[in-house]
Amino acid sequence: KAGVTQTPRYLIKTRGQQVTLSCSPISGHRSVSWYQQTPGQGLQFLFEYFSETQRNKGNFPGRFSGRQFSNSRSEMNVSTLELGDSALYLCASSLAPGIVGYGYTFGSGTRLTVV
Amino acid sequence: DAKTTQPPSMDCAEGRAANLPCNHSTISGNEYVYWYRQIHSQGPQYIIHGLKNNETNEMASLIITEDRKSSTLILPHATLRDTAVYYCISLTGNQFYFGTGTSLTVIP
Repeated sequence: KAGVTQTPRYLIKTRGQQVTLSCSPISGHRSVSWYQQTPGQGLQFLFEYFSETQRNKGNFPGRFSGRQFSNSRSEMNVSTLELGDSALYLCASSLAPGIVGYGYTFGSGTRLTVV
Repeated sequence: DAKTTQPPSMDCAEGRAANLPCNHSTISGNEYVYWYRQIHSQGPQYIIHGLKNNETNEMASLIITEDRKSSTLILPHATLRDTAVYYCISLTGNQFYFGTGTSLTVIP
Protein backbone atom coordinates (compact mmCIF):
# COMPACT_ATOMS: atom_id res chain seq x y z
CA LYS A 1 0.00 0.00 0.00
CA ALA A 2 1.14 3.56 -0.56
CA GLY A 3 3.00 5.21 2.27
CA VAL A 4 2.68 8.67 3.73
CA THR A 5 3.09 11.22 0.97
CA GLN A 6 4.42 14.69 1.62
CA THR A 7 4.54 17.44 -0.97
CA PRO A 8 6.54 19.23 -2.04
CA ARG A 9 9.83 17.48 -1.25
CA TYR A 10 11.85 20.67 -1.40
CA LEU A 11 10.88 24.30 -1.03
CA ILE A 12 12.77 27.58 -0.97
CA LYS A 13 11.04 30.66 0.45
CA THR A 14 12.02 34.18 1.39
CA ARG A 15 11.82 35.63 4.87
CA GLY A 16 8.40 37.08 5.58
CA GLN A 17 6.58 34.85 3.14
CA GLN A 18 4.19 32.10 4.13
CA VAL A 19 4.26 28.45 3.13
CA THR A 20 1.82 25.54 3.05
CA LEU A 21 2.95 21.93 3.24
CA SER A 22 0.78 18.92 2.48
CA CYS A 23 0.58 15.42 3.94
CA SER A 24 -1.50 12.54 2.60
CA PRO A 25 -1.70 9.74 5.16
CA ILE A 26 -1.78 6.03 4.49
CA SER A 27 -5.21 4.98 3.27
CA GLY A 28 -7.44 4.38 6.27
CA HIS A 29 -5.27 6.33 8.67
CA ARG A 30 -7.16 9.16 10.30
CA SER A 31 -4.54 10.63 12.63
CA VAL A 32 -1.80 12.89 11.30
CA SER A 33 1.03 14.40 13.32
CA TRP A 34 3.59 16.97 12.25
CA TYR A 35 7.21 17.35 13.37
CA GLN A 36 9.99 19.83 12.74
CA GLN A 37 13.55 18.55 12.48
CA THR A 38 16.54 20.90 12.71
CA PRO A 39 20.20 20.17 13.39
CA GLY A 40 20.12 22.20 16.59
CA GLN A 41 16.81 21.11 18.12
CA GLY A 42 16.34 17.65 16.64
CA LEU A 43 12.84 16.29 16.08
CA GLN A 44 10.13 18.33 17.75
CA PHE A 45 6.40 17.69 17.80
CA LEU A 46 4.28 20.40 16.21
CA PHE A 47 0.67 19.17 16.35
CA GLU A 48 -1.63 16.25 15.82
CA TYR A 49 -4.96 16.07 14.00
CA PHE A 50 -7.69 13.49 14.17
CA SER A 51 -11.13 13.73 12.60
CA GLU A 52 -10.40 17.27 11.43
CA THR A 53 -9.68 18.40 15.00
CA GLN A 54 -6.38 19.40 16.53
CA ARG A 55 -5.82 17.12 19.50
CA ASN A 56 -2.33 18.05 20.64
CA LYS A 57 -0.02 20.95 20.07
CA GLY A 58 3.66 21.32 20.73
CA ASN A 59 5.48 24.39 21.94
CA PHE A 60 5.61 26.43 18.75
CA PRO A 61 4.49 30.01 18.07
CA GLY A 62 1.13 30.80 16.52
CA ARG A 63 2.79 31.30 13.13
CA PHE A 64 2.64 27.52 12.83
CA SER A 65 -0.84 26.22 12.14
CA GLY A 66 -2.45 23.25 10.54
CA ARG A 67 -5.69 21.69 9.49
CA GLN A 68 -7.08 18.36 8.45
CA PHE A 69 -9.65 17.68 5.77
CA SER A 70 -12.49 15.18 5.74
CA ASN A 71 -10.36 12.76 3.69
CA SER A 72 -7.71 12.89 6.48
CA ARG A 73 -5.22 14.79 4.35
CA SER A 74 -3.51 17.47 6.36
CA GLU A 75 -1.79 20.75 5.66
CA MET A 76 0.45 22.83 7.81
CA ASN A 77 1.06 26.53 7.30
CA VAL A 78 3.88 28.73 8.48
CA SER A 79 3.33 32.46 8.19
CA THR A 80 5.89 35.26 8.28
CA LEU A 81 8.78 32.89 7.68
CA GLU A 82 12.01 33.33 9.62
CA LEU A 83 15.45 31.97 8.81
CA GLY A 84 15.14 29.64 11.79
CA ASP A 85 12.15 27.94 10.23
CA SER A 86 14.48 26.23 7.78
CA ALA A 87 14.03 22.57 8.60
CA LEU A 88 12.82 19.18 7.50
CA TYR A 89 9.10 18.96 8.21
CA LEU A 90 7.85 15.44 8.74
CA CYS A 91 4.37 14.09 9.08
CA ALA A 92 3.33 10.75 10.50
CA SER A 93 0.02 8.94 10.23
CA SER A 94 -1.74 6.25 12.20
CA LEU A 95 -5.20 4.73 12.40
CA ALA A 96 -6.02 6.81 15.47
CA PRO A 97 -4.29 8.76 18.22
CA GLY A 98 -2.35 6.56 20.58
CA ILE A 99 -1.69 3.89 17.96
CA VAL A 100 2.02 4.15 17.59
CA GLY A 101 4.98 1.90 17.07
CA TYR A 102 4.51 -0.34 14.06
CA GLY A 103 1.33 1.48 13.08
CA TYR A 104 2.86 4.96 13.18
CA THR A 105 4.42 5.73 9.81
CA PHE A 106 6.46 8.75 8.80
CA GLY A 107 6.66 10.36 5.40
CA SER A 108 9.96 11.39 3.81
CA GLY A 109 9.42 15.01 4.72
CA THR A 110 9.49 18.42 3.10
CA ARG A 111 12.81 20.24 3.20
CA LEU A 112 12.07 23.95 3.67
CA THR A 113 14.82 26.50 3.19
CA VAL A 114 14.17 30.11 4.14
CA VAL A 115 16.54 32.66 2.59
CA ASP B 1 12.92 18.38 28.57
CA ALA B 2 14.48 15.31 27.03
CA LYS B 3 13.19 12.16 28.61
CA THR B 4 15.79 9.98 26.94
CA THR B 5 19.54 10.33 26.56
CA GLN B 6 21.77 8.48 24.13
CA PRO B 7 25.45 8.60 23.13
CA PRO B 8 25.85 10.84 20.10
CA SER B 9 27.71 8.33 17.95
CA MET B 10 28.90 4.74 17.73
CA ASP B 11 30.77 2.54 15.28
CA CYS B 12 30.18 -1.15 14.65
CA ALA B 13 31.97 -3.64 12.42
CA GLU B 14 29.87 -5.20 9.70
CA GLY B 15 28.51 -8.58 10.78
CA ARG B 16 28.95 -7.87 14.46
CA ALA B 17 26.20 -7.03 16.94
CA ALA B 18 25.45 -3.35 17.45
CA ASN B 19 24.38 -2.49 20.99
CA LEU B 20 22.81 0.94 21.32
CA PRO B 21 22.13 2.14 24.88
CA CYS B 22 19.49 4.56 26.05
CA ASN B 23 18.91 6.14 29.43
CA HIS B 24 15.27 6.88 30.24
CA SER B 25 15.37 7.23 34.00
CA THR B 26 12.61 9.87 34.06
CA ILE B 27 9.88 8.07 32.16
CA SER B 28 6.87 6.92 34.14
CA GLY B 29 5.83 3.37 34.79
CA ASN B 30 3.22 3.20 32.05
CA GLU B 31 5.27 4.81 29.29
CA TYR B 32 6.53 2.57 26.55
CA VAL B 33 10.00 2.99 25.08
CA TYR B 34 10.11 3.09 21.29
CA TRP B 35 13.02 2.83 18.92
CA TYR B 36 13.04 4.36 15.48
CA ARG B 37 15.85 4.91 13.04
CA GLN B 38 16.37 7.55 10.39
CA ILE B 39 18.45 7.01 7.31
CA HIS B 40 19.72 10.20 5.75
CA SER B 41 17.00 12.29 4.09
CA GLN B 42 14.24 9.83 4.95
CA GLY B 43 11.55 9.80 7.60
CA PRO B 44 12.07 7.81 10.80
CA GLN B 45 11.32 4.08 10.54
CA TYR B 46 9.85 2.02 13.38
CA ILE B 47 12.08 -0.70 14.81
CA ILE B 48 10.67 -2.02 18.07
CA HIS B 49 9.04 -1.01 21.35
CA GLY B 50 8.64 -2.35 24.88
CA LEU B 51 7.37 -1.61 28.37
CA LYS B 52 8.96 -4.00 30.85
CA ASN B 53 9.84 -7.25 29.16
CA ASN B 54 12.52 -7.86 26.59
CA GLU B 55 11.23 -7.85 23.04
CA THR B 56 12.46 -9.31 19.76
CA ASN B 57 11.31 -8.96 16.19
CA GLU B 58 12.81 -9.54 12.76
CA MET B 59 14.81 -6.34 12.93
CA ALA B 60 16.19 -6.17 16.45
CA SER B 61 16.00 -7.06 20.13
CA LEU B 62 15.20 -4.69 22.96
CA ILE B 63 16.56 -5.32 26.42
CA ILE B 64 14.96 -3.24 29.20
CA THR B 65 16.49 -3.18 32.66
CA GLU B 66 14.33 -4.34 35.53
CA ASP B 67 14.18 -0.83 37.01
CA ARG B 68 13.20 0.52 33.55
CA LYS B 69 15.80 3.26 33.79
CA SER B 70 17.61 2.16 30.67
CA SER B 71 17.39 -0.08 27.66
CA THR B 72 19.61 -1.44 24.89
CA LEU B 73 18.70 -1.94 21.27
CA ILE B 74 20.56 -4.84 19.71
CA LEU B 75 21.04 -5.28 15.98
CA PRO B 76 22.37 -8.85 15.95
CA HIS B 77 24.31 -8.77 12.68
CA ALA B 78 24.84 -5.19 11.56
CA THR B 79 25.04 -4.49 7.84
CA LEU B 80 26.10 -1.36 5.98
CA ARG B 81 22.42 -0.56 5.43
CA ASP B 82 22.00 -0.24 9.20
CA THR B 83 24.05 2.97 9.16
CA ALA B 84 21.55 5.54 10.45
CA VAL B 85 20.57 7.70 13.40
CA TYR B 86 18.78 5.63 16.04
CA TYR B 87 16.26 7.29 18.32
CA CYS B 88 15.08 6.04 21.67
CA ILE B 89 11.71 7.69 22.24
CA SER B 90 9.11 7.96 24.94
CA LEU B 91 5.41 8.47 24.31
CA THR B 92 3.40 10.61 26.68
CA GLY B 93 -0.08 11.87 25.98
CA ASN B 94 0.13 10.82 22.34
CA GLN B 95 3.28 12.90 21.86
CA PHE B 96 6.58 11.36 20.94
CA TYR B 97 9.58 12.89 22.68
CA PHE B 98 12.63 12.38 20.53
CA GLY B 99 16.09 12.67 21.99
CA THR B 100 19.13 13.59 19.95
CA GLY B 101 19.70 10.00 18.85
CA THR B 102 22.81 7.91 18.23
CA SER B 103 24.49 8.07 14.86
CA LEU B 104 25.52 4.48 14.14
CA THR B 105 28.15 3.88 11.48
CA VAL B 106 28.63 0.31 10.33
CA ILE B 107 32.18 -0.16 9.11
CA PRO B 108 33.06 -2.70 6.38
